[in-house]
This record gives sequence, C-alpha cells and structure tokens, in this order.
Amino acid sequence: DSGVTQTPKHLITATGQRVTLRCSPRSGDLSVYWYQQSLDQGLQFLIQYYNGEERAKGNILERFSAQQFPDLHSELNLSSLELGDSALYFCASSVEPRDRGHGYTFGSGTRLTVV
Amino acid sequence: DQQVKQNSPSLSVQEGRISILNCDYTNSMFDYFLWYKKYPAEGPTFLISISSIKDKNEDGRFTVFLNKSAKHLSLHIVPSQPGDSAVYFCAASAWMDSSYKLIFGSGTRLLVRP
Repeated sequence: DSGVTQTPKHLITATGQRVTLRCSPRSGDLSVYWYQQSLDQGLQFLIQYYNGEERAKGNILERFSAQQFPDLHSELNLSSLELGDSALYFCASSVEPRDRGHGYTFGSGTRLTVV
Repeated sequence: DQQVKQNSPSLSVQEGRISILNCDYTNSMFDYFLWYKKYPAEGPTFLISISSIKDKNEDGRFTVFLNKSAKHLSLHIVPSQPGDSAVYFCAASAWMDSSYKLIFGSGTRLLVRP
C-alpha cells in the first residue's frame, strides 16, 4: 500500500457519459498529480494541484476537469466520454510543489473502459 | 510529440546477466532523469535518478548512465533477478510554466528468466 488511494479501481461506462475519479493523497502530501496512460503509451501528465489550487496543466482535454478539496483529496471529472478516453488514470502525490519526481508516490490507478 | 522515448517495448534476460534499458530524449531543458518501476496492478515507484550535471549514478545493482551529447540514458541492472521483472519507465523533469513537469516514456517490459 503506497498510501495514495484511488477509487474506483475499475470503471466501465458508455460513450457520452460522465465519470468522476477520486484520489486521496498520502498523509502529509499537499501536491496531487493526475496522469493518463493509454495503451502502449507513457504516462501523460494531465494536471497538478497544490494545497487546493491548480499548479500546472499538461495535455488535459477541455472535457476533463479536476479539483482538490480542503481535505486535500482530488477528483478528476471526465465528461462526454469517447472510446479513446479508455485508459489507466494514475494519481500521484508529493509533499513539495516543486518536486522533480523523486518524491512522487503513485496510487494503483483507475482503469476506465468506455464502450 | 514524444519528448522521452523508450524504443524497446520489451526485453528478456537470463537471471544473473546484465539488463540494459535505454531511453532517448529531445528536450535540452530536462535537468533530472528518473527511472520508475511498475509491477502489475500497482502504481509506478521511484527507482533511481541522475542529475543532468552527472554522467553516472549507482545504487546497489542499479546504475544509470547519462550521455548528454547523445541525449541518451540507460539503466543497467547487474545481476538481474526474477523479481526485477516489471515495466520500467524512463522520466525526465524540467521547469516549465512555473512548475516542474515530469515527462514519461512509454515503458519497457523486462522479463528476467530463471
């Protein structure tokens, strides 16, 4: 158990639907990062939050949004789902907002299947 | 635009031999390079890193080599053990748009045969 909790582990939904993925960071970590891993692709950075505020944006589609709540958990909302959104979505957390990657702790991911 | 590339999707090595995993990058702004290891049904875990001002970093059986002129890095595992069988991701970090961004490669699946 890495200390980063992602729910649900698996999600199957239809095209056009909306889903919410949840991440609870490791205790004490203020930064949360969301990554998407499509088939045979690397982890694509989506977005970072630090202590409730958006810190950095990557290749996040306009149909996707995220937020970090006062208790530091984060949610990734995916709407108007397409088949190509099927992927593993990872959440990571770290203490520092300027972590170079050494302090990232990843959750085990949510596997989203859009049918 | 893949800034970090791992061109070998898989590698099979005999136990006790050396495993060499390769990674190429394109962005000269990267200042740290990291390797992550991922087992099935788990998230990636940090393994070893190297600063762009160094050319080698060693940690036990794991050594990372950096060739800046070629924009190439490699991870050596000696000796390889069956428990090393996993997917290895190369990643690079750079300061972009007021934050460090960690860019990952597509991964290499290592199988160490007993």
